[in-house]
Amino acid sequence: NAGVTQTPKFRVLKTGQSMTLLCAQDMNHEYMYWYRQDPGMGLRLIHYSVGEGTTAKGEVPDGYNVSRLKKQNFLLGLESAAPSQTSVYFCASISAASGSYEQYFGPGTRLTVT
Amino acid sequence: DAKTTQPPSMDCAEGRAANLPCNHSTISGNEYVYWYRQIHSQGPQYIIHGLKNNETNEMASLIITEDRKSSTLILPHATLRDTAVYYCIVRTQLLNTGNQFYFGTGTSLTVIP
Repeated sequence: NAGVTQTPKFRVLKTGQSMTLLCAQDMNHEYMYWYRQDPGMGLRLIHYSVGEGTTAKGEVPDGYNVSRLKKQNFLLGLESAAPSQTSVYFCASISAASGSYEQYFGPGTRLTVT
Repeated sequence: DAKTTQPPSMDCAEGRAANLPCNHSTISGNEYVYWYRQIHSQGPQYIIHGLKNNETNEMASLIITEDRKSSTLILPHATLRDTAVYYCIVRTQLLNTGNQFYFGTGTSLTVIP
């Protein structure tokens, strides 16, 4: 099993450009999360999904959109990138059957907006 | 306001116990405390979690105060590989939209040979 994978690993955008980050998991997990991590800080929740076709806002959702069309994939979109969105983005998934709600994280995507 | 507060950094001698504190004074009765660690900017890894009882697993122990306003993660015999940033996290369960996780700013633990 690959676990949680994220594509791309690195990306540089110009202000105003758009892009989509892909998170994929092969563990058949129901819940998926997108976080951002800024230097010296903990992770902050952007959006999450409790199942295919559902999404919900987290702490810092502004400027981002998400979609969960397939159970194994969770997409994070930036419609018009801003320098404030320069960050490392992490995706995580959780099994609904897990009593622990343990999150399995991907390796991260490092995004720079110039 | 942050749900958890942690000291920014700590040192621990190799082989000794590392005790990492966390304050979560506004925690609600149904919110769980989690600990994760992050090594070299990789994705965080789960360590342990608890609600109100002390917990132990093969990696660590979690001590939660009776009033649940603070907790301590204990790594019983720290090794150099335990050098990492440790995050104290609160999980909030929402009625119709699932669970949200609130990370603290983390404690950078350095294990010294």
